[in-house]
Amino acid sequence: NAGVMQNPRHLVRRRGQEARLRCSPMKGHSHVYWYRQLPEEGLKFMVYLQKENIIDESGMPKERFSAEFPKEGPSILRIQQVVRGDSAAYFCASSPEFSGANVLTFGAGSRLTVL
Amino acid sequence: DAKTTQPTSMDCAEGRAANLPCNHSTISGNEYVYWYRQIHSQGPQYIIHGLKNNETNEMASLIITEDRKSSTLILPHATLRDTAVYYCIVRGTGGGNKLTFGTGTQLKVEL
Repeated sequence: NAGVMQNPRHLVRRRGQEARLRCSPMKGHSHVYWYRQLPEEGLKFMVYLQKENIIDESGMPKERFSAEFPKEGPSILRIQQVVRGDSAAYFCASSPEFSGANVLTFGAGSRLTVL
Repeated sequence: DAKTTQPTSMDCAEGRAANLPCNHSTISGNEYVYWYRQIHSQGPQYIIHGLKNNETNEMASLIITEDRKSSTLILPHATLRDTAVYYCIVRGTGGGNKLTFGTGTQLKVEL
């Protein structure tokens, strides 16, 4: 059973380009979470999604960032018109249907570098 | 969710037990204590969680005080590969699944 798969592992973009980060949750997991970790900083929650629904986007920047988790396929974190401050590691996590204690399984992360 | 307080950093000799404390004095009855760790540049890794009773798995033991206001994560025989930032997180059972990470404890295991 493969874990949470994220790709690309490394992505380089120039300012103004778009970045798309993909996350395939563990088999059987229907909940996906995105976190961002800026250099030398902690993990910050961005968004929590279930299939076809955004449940909590309280950590998402108001502009340029969007996330989706379609019925089929991976979850996508999209960053439009990237700026240097978007350079960070983006981690995806997944969990099964909520049932009390909650354990998130994290992927290895996607590292975005904006030139 | 209850706030947690952890020491910024700790050192441990390889082969010795590493005892990482966490204070969560405002924890409420339905909130679990979770421990995760992040080895440099890697994705966070789940270690263990508990509600009231002490817990043990292949990675660690979790000791929760009777009043539940603090807990200790024990790595029984620390190795160099256990060098990481350890996060203690308290989370309830309602309102969604997200976990809020604090600053954690940087554990350095040395020879």
